[in-house]
Amino acid sequence: ETGVTQTPRHLVMGMTNKKSLKCEQHLGHNAMYWYKQSAKKPLELMFVYSLEERVENNSVPSRFSPECPNSSHLFLHLHTLQPEDSALYLCASSQDVGTGELFFGEGSRLTVL
Amino acid sequence: GIQVEQSPPDLILQEGANSTLRCNFSDSVNNLQWFHQNPWGQLINLFYIPSGTKQNGRLSATTVATERYSLLYISSSQTTDSGVYFCAVLNQAGTALIFGKGTTLSVSS
Repeated sequence: ETGVTQTPRHLVMGMTNKKSLKCEQHLGHNAMYWYKQSAKKPLELMFVYSLEERVENNSVPSRFSPECPNSSHLFLHLHTLQPEDSALYLCASSQDVGTGELFFGEGSRLTVL
Repeated sequence: GIQVEQSPPDLILQEGANSTLRCNFSDSVNNLQWFHQNPWGQLINLFYIPSGTKQNGRLSATTVATERYSLLYISSSQTTDSGVYFCAVLNQAGTALIFGKGTTLSVSS
């Protein structure tokens, strides 16, 4: 089993749909992250969580709503998205916020129609 | 905030060639990592290297923190080395890594 798993791997949704991305880490880490990777752009940090507490929201629109019920799970709830939100969404974890190596999941590729 | 610049943006090699990828950063950092993103989007850790030199098989990396740069060396490149190589450093808030734009490497046989 890989250290960080993301589901679903691919998602297609309409602008009025509500969906969620799920991330689970099996590394015993305390920090979890959401990054967004759009075509031809560098990875952009979205959210940072430390032991279930959000420590950073990098000016992300409210149509993206994160949830961290425990230190092993992280969700990204999506609603009323725009086509420009189509991207690869990557979850990552590290031992603590900003320290140690960052490990990524395989990503969830989202297409908004 | 801290700026991360990678060069070259694109690199095309024949199998067996060597290459050097560069990462410049605008401020002192205490966390720097190199990643390889494969064609399926998976980001693979290559090196955690805030300073010094490390080697792993055909890959090695050196970070000179006082001069604010890091180098990734790939020797005897193989087609499986193709993909995008990212350098990432800790942001000023100390909360997360921020990424450069990457170097896209294409190795042909």
